Amino acid sequence: SQKIEQNSEALNIQEGKTATLTCNYTNYSPAYLQWYRQDPGRGPVFLLLIRENEKEKRKERLKVTFDTTLKQSLFHITASQPADSATYLCALDMTMDSSYKLIFGSGTRLLVRP
Amino acid sequence: DVKVTQSSRYLVKRTGEKVFLECVQDMDHENMFWYRQDPGLGLRLIYFSYDVKMKEKGDIPEGYSVSREKKERFSLILESASTNQTSMYLCASSLIVPGSNTEAFFGQGTRLTVV
Repeated sequence: SQKIEQNSEALNIQEGKTATLTCNYTNYSPAYLQWYRQDPGRGPVFLLLIRENEKEKRKERLKVTFDTTLKQSLFHITASQPADSATYLCALDMTMDSSYKLIFGSGTRLLVRP
Repeated sequence: DVKVTQSSRYLVKRTGEKVFLECVQDMDHENMFWYRQDPGLGLRLIYFSYDVKMKEKGDIPEGYSVSREKKERFSLILESASTNQTSMYLCASSLIVPGSNTEAFFGQGTRLTVV
């Protein structure tokens, strides 16, 4: 079955630095990959979607890359702020005939120190 | 804005009880999902549905069933609650766009404790 791996250890960085989170997957070739943010006690919130034919996607301070050869996506937050502290989840689609399902990684917690 | 509403934020039930978790979305989405989230395990898909009365098993369907009688409502049922079903339950919905992929919108979650 498909497997999605995110670093389970928290990433602790200084404000202003760039945070880089990794998502690796096996046994599948998704057409899309999504990133979500989750705050404690809340549901995940969508951030970015990248397609298999896109190498890079940007949105304000966020950047996502998608390397289908390495089966890896990198999620970058530049000029990080304490408000960026949260858990970040990657998700892959598994598309079937008439529907698709989203499979999530376990997430990486980001802590940005002031 | 899309809104996905789960009926309860917190729920405490006894072992053996039948438990209903309700989810309603207001944006006419075809897809609806139920996940559970446990520390270190991330979001695991229990069931999903792409149309009224249609349902598909996710990765961990055992001990659960679902019902989708109306497009906007997707219910998760624990037929006989057990302590290992204590978890955070998250409902989500999304559009189906042929040849494309769209984001999922999540509810606020229901923290279920089975005692």
